Amino acid sequence: DIQMTQSPSSLSASVGDRVSITCRASQTITNYFNWYQQKPGEAPKLLIYAASSLQSGVPSRFRGSGSGTDFTLTISSLQPEDFATYYCQQTYSSPWTFGQGTRVEI
Amino acid sequence: QVQLQESGPGLVKPSETLSLTCTVSGGSISSSSYYWIWVRQPPGKGLDWIAYMYYRGNTYFNPSLESRVTMSMDTSRNQFSLRLSSVTAADTAMYYCARVYSSWPYYFDYWGQGALVTVSS
Repeated sequence: DIQMTQSPSSLSASVGDRVSITCRASQTITNYFNWYQQKPGEAPKLLIYAASSLQSGVPSRFRGSGSGTDFTLTISSLQPEDFATYYCQQTYSSPWTFGQGTRVEI
Repeated sequence: QVQLQESGPGLVKPSETLSLTCTVSGGSISSSSYYWIWVRQPPGKGLDWIAYMYYRGNTYFNPSLESRVTMSMDTSRNQFSLRLSSVTAADTAMYYCARVYSSWPYYFDYWGQGALVTVSS
C-alpha cells in the first residue's frame, strides 16, 4: 500500500496567518492526489483535486501544489472557519489511502 | 445538488453483521461517471475506505476488510448498501457514504453526514 505522511500532525496559528501543510507519498503518485477538510462533527469536504485544482465553491485562499511524491496545501490568510483537520489522499493505486490528518488549531 | 444520507442501526453486537444503506438524491447511482463508496472513521482517528461499486456491478474492496464486506446497489431506489460481518469493537466508527468521480483523479466530491455505529454487547 502507498503510505501518505502528513506534517505537521497539528499546528497552532492565528487568523490572518499563512499556513502550509505537507504530504509525502511513499512512492510516486504523479498527481492522483486530493486534499480534504473536516470540521468536528462533519463529513470531510473536498478542497483540492488533482493536486492543484480548486473544487467549486472553495475559497481561493486555498492552494494546492506538488507532484510525484511531495505535495503542499497552503492557506494564504487563515480565517476562523478554516480551523479544522486536513487530510491528503492518493488515488494512484488501490487501496486508496489517506494521510493521518493535520489539525489546525487557534 | 447531490445529497447522500446513511441509515441503519447505531448499535451492533459483537460477531453480528453491520448493515447500512445510503440513499442518494439529486443524482443517479446509475451514472457512468461515478463510483459509490463507503468510508469509515474510528473515533478520533483517520479515514479508511471500505468498498466501492460501479453501476455495472463492479465492486472493489479494501483488502484489509474484503473477507467481511458485501456491497450492493438498488438502482430502483437509488440506494447502495454495506454489510460488514463478524464485527468487533474495532469496527466501531463513523461510517460515511460518498460519491467518487470515476476517472482521474478519482476524487470524493459528495459525502453523507455519517452514521455512528457502535459495536458493543
